[in-house]
Amino acid sequence: NAGVTQTPKFRILKIGQSMTLQCTQDMNHNYMYWYRQDPGMGLKLIYYSVGAGITDKGEVPNGYNVSRSTTEDFPLRLELAAPSQTSVYFCASKPQGPQETQYFGPGTRLLVL
Amino acid sequence: AQTVTQSQPEMSVQEAETVTLSCTYDTSENNYYLFWYKQPPSRQMILVIRQEAYKQQNATENRFSVNFQKAAKSFSLKISDSQLGDTAMYFCAFMKVGGGADGLTFGKGTHLIIQP
Repeated sequence: NAGVTQTPKFRILKIGQSMTLQCTQDMNHNYMYWYRQDPGMGLKLIYYSVGAGITDKGEVPNGYNVSRSTTEDFPLRLELAAPSQTSVYFCASKPQGPQETQYFGPGTRLLVL
Repeated sequence: AQTVTQSQPEMSVQEAETVTLSCTYDTSENNYYLFWYKQPPSRQMILVIRQEAYKQQNATENRFSVNFQKAAKSFSLKISDSQLGDTAMYFCAFMKVGGGADGLTFGKGTHLIIQP
């Protein structure tokens, strides 16, 4: 199993550009998450999904959109990139149930200039 | 909403020493989980240990153990016989059971440096 994979690893965007961060998991997990980690800070939840076709906002959703058309994929869309979105983005997944552990991807570093 | 506070931005100890990282949290929930995650320079988030709030016994994983004080809302991590590979950022995290699909709330982290 590859676990949770994210692409790209690093990207530079210009202000106003758009892009999609890809996240795929091969563990058949129902729950998936997007977090962002700003320099010197902990991770903050952007969006989450409890299954295909179901998404909901986390703590910091503004400026982002998500979709979940399959169990495996959970892409994060930035429509109009802003410098405040410069961050490291982590995708995570877990099986249903609070006792289950979240598995994190390696992260995508995004720089908006 | 929950908050997680880590009051030690950075700590440094000698190899083989024991070190304790502090974490406090604020919540009105009674049913929750607490976690410690390690983030080495590779940025990969690695689960170190977790504690279920309903369990009174403190969790242990090899050299890592916690001191969970529910009434005080305190959740410290003790690393025994520290090793150079323990150098990393350590994040304390909170998960409310049944809300936000088990999303995690993180503290700001403690940068732990193990000196040779």
